[in-house]
Amino acid sequence: SAVISQKPSRDICQRGTSLTIQCQVDSQVTMMFWYRQQPGQSLTLIATANQGSEATYESGFVIDKFPISRPNLTFSTLTVSNMSPEDSSIYLCSVGGTGGLSNYGYTFGSGTRLTVV
Amino acid sequence: KQEVTQIPAALSVPEGENLVLNCSFTDSAIYNLQWFRQDPGKGLTSLLLIQSSQREQTSGRLNASLDKSSGRSTLYIAASQPGDSATYLCAVMGSGGSYIPTFGRGTSLIVHP
Repeated sequence: SAVISQKPSRDICQRGTSLTIQCQVDSQVTMMFWYRQQPGQSLTLIATANQGSEATYESGFVIDKFPISRPNLTFSTLTVSNMSPEDSSIYLCSVGGTGGLSNYGYTFGSGTRLTVV
Repeated sequence: KQEVTQIPAALSVPEGENLVLNCSFTDSAIYNLQWFRQDPGKGLTSLLLIQSSQREQTSGRLNASLDKSSGRSTLYIAASQPGDSATYLCAVMGSGGSYIPTFGRGTSLIVHP
């Protein structure tokens, strides 16, 4: 399965600022996924990022707030813009396994723990 | 819409006990089911992946079973250890054309010495 390097692992940010989270995958993957996990909650999908096209956002998430880049098949970034304390969460990137998403399950990055003060 | 429920929400046991964590899903038309472990503030580590055609998978002290017809999976942890303390999540990927997994809310496990 793929190995994902995600950074930063954690950050404390001032409200109104932006933070960019990076994920690097050790193999080429078609789709990358970005999730948010609010305290005590399960994972919520923010968007799906395909290389060479605009990301597809889930209901309740917009590009202006969470711009995503996908410049190649091994890298993606998620920016959390104009942050407020409500954005304090763990942010995770994920990829499906090679050889077909349905066959190899999902792999996750190590997570970014964001605290907005 | 697929819904995934995990019971119990929290569990605290002494070291050495055998444990069963439960996951149920409403739509039995699935590709696979995956169990993850999450340590506090960290990402998800895949434990076991069960394809829809399989009934169980084993890795070390972990055994996961799948009963598609009843919409259930169990994760069995043998001889629990304090290092097993974490949140355990199950995720189901449907076969209705969606490649997005649906997650349960997890079972928070504490194994005390």
